[in-house]
Amino acid sequence: QQQVKQSPQSLIVQKGGIPIINCAYENTAFDYFPWYQQFPGKGPALLIAIRPDVSEKKEGRFTISFNKSAKQFSLHIMDSQPGDSATYFCAASNKLTGGGNKLTFGTGTQLKVEL
Amino acid sequence: KAGVTQTPRYLIKTRGQQVTLSCSPISGHRSVSWYQQTPGQGLQFLFEYFSETQRNKGNFPGRFSGRQFSNSRSEMNVSTLELGDSALYLCASSYGGYSMNTEAFFGQGTRLTVV
Repeated sequence: QQQVKQSPQSLIVQKGGIPIINCAYENTAFDYFPWYQQFPGKGPALLIAIRPDVSEKKEGRFTISFNKSAKQFSLHIMDSQPGDSATYFCAASNKLTGGGNKLTFGTGTQLKVEL
Repeated sequence: KAGVTQTPRYLIKTRGQQVTLSCSPISGHRSVSWYQQTPGQGLQFLFEYFSETQRNKGNFPGRFSGRQFSNSRSEMNVSTLELGDSALYLCASSYGGYSMNTEAFFGQGTRLTVV
C-alpha cells in the first residue's frame, strides 16, 4: 500500500510561531516529495519540493526537512502569518511510475495562524 | 503564463446521469492528471494522460474515464453518477517527462454535486 501519513490533522499557532507538519511514507521507491498549500475554493498550489538526496531545503519562509532512514519529512513555516492559514498537504511520487504526475497525498493539515 | 483552467467550476447532476469535465493545461505541458478530493478520502489520483495516451491509472471504477486531445487538453467523464461521486475534481498539468520528476500545477477544480 502506497501511503503517506500526515500529522497533525489541525494546528493552531500564534503569529510569528513556527508550525511543523510531519509526514511519513512506506514506499522506499518514492523519490519526490512536494508540499502543497490549499485555500478554500482553490486548487492546491505547489509550495516546495525535495528529493531524497538532500536533508533540507529552504524557500523563503518554508523549509522541508527530510530523514531518509526514518522515511519521514516535515514542513516548517518560519514567522507564520495569518495569511498562511490554509490546508497543507504533503505528497510523494516515484519518477519511474509517474513522477510528479501521479502523486500520493497525505490527509492534510488545517493550519490556523492567530493574531 | 496562463494557469491550468478547468470548466465548469460547478455542476449539479442527478444520480444516474453522466458528466464531462474539461481541463486545459499550462501551455507547453503535455501531461494532465486528474484527482478526486473529498472530505472523507482526501486527494486521490484518478488517472494521467500524456501525449493522448493514458499513462497511469488509479483505483477507481470503470465509470471514470478520460481522454486527451492533440493540444493536450483533457476531459474526464463519469457515467452513471452516484451520490458518492460528489467531490471536487482537480486537474494538474506538468511537462510530463518520465525520466525525472516534474512539478505539477493544479487548476481550481470542478465542484460536482450529485443529487
